[in-house]
Amino acid sequence: GAGVSQSPSNKVTEKGKDVELRCDPISGHTALYWYRQSLGQGLEFLIYFQGNSAPDKSGLPSDRFSAERTGGSVSTLTIQRTQQEDSAVYLCASSFTTNEQFFGPGTRLTVL
Amino acid sequence: GQNIDQPTEMTATEGAIVQINCTYQTSGFNGLFWYQQHAGEAPTFLSYNVLDGLEEKGRFSSFLSRSKGYSYLLLKELQMKDSASYLCAVRSYRRRDDKIIFGKGTRLHILP
Repeated sequence: GAGVSQSPSNKVTEKGKDVELRCDPISGHTALYWYRQSLGQGLEFLIYFQGNSAPDKSGLPSDRFSAERTGGSVSTLTIQRTQQEDSAVYLCASSFTTNEQFFGPGTRLTVL
Repeated sequence: GQNIDQPTEMTATEGAIVQINCTYQTSGFNGLFWYQQHAGEAPTFLSYNVLDGLEEKGRFSSFLSRSKGYSYLLLKELQMKDSASYLCAVRSYRRRDDKIIFGKGTRLHILP
C-alpha cells in the first residue's frame, strides 16, 4: 500500500517568504508527527497530532511556525517569513496510535 | 523535560559486533524505539522495547533497563550496508497522549 508522502520534495525560497509543506499520512493512521533535521543532526520534534485531540505544539521553534491537520488526514506545516536558519529537511511520520512510525521522504527546504 | 544521550559517532569492522548505547531521562516513560537512517533517506524502524530485557530480531538486538534509563542496540555480523545513523527515540506519556522524541543519533562507520 501507499506510504507516507510529502510534497514538495525540494523547496527553495527567499528569506522572508512564506512556505507550505504538505504531508499525506498512511490511511487510518491516527498519529502524525512533524520533525526537522538539519544536516548531520538528529530529528528535532516540532508538532504532534493524535486523533481529534488538540495538537502538541511544544516543539515549534517560534510563532512563525504553524501546522494543521484537516479531517484527521492531510497535514500542512506553514513557515511564515522564512529565515536562513529554517533551512533543513522537514520529515513527517504517521503511526497507528504511537507505535512504529512510518516516515515520509521529507521536504528539503533551502532559504536563500 | 526529556533528555536522550547517545554517542555521536562509532567505528567498527565488517563482520564484527557493535553496541550502541542510549541513556534517557523522561517522565511517563512508555517505550523506546531504535531507527536506522541511511544518509539522505528517511528513518526506518528497527525495534521497540517497552519491558526490561533483550529483544532479538535477526542480526539486531535491543535491550532496555527502565530502572537505569538505559538501552542499547547490538548489531552482529556487521555488513557494509549497516553504515548509517542509528536513532534512539523515547515515547513518553503526557496529558492524555503519548509523544515520541528522538536523540541526535549515532553515526556508525563500517570498515572493510
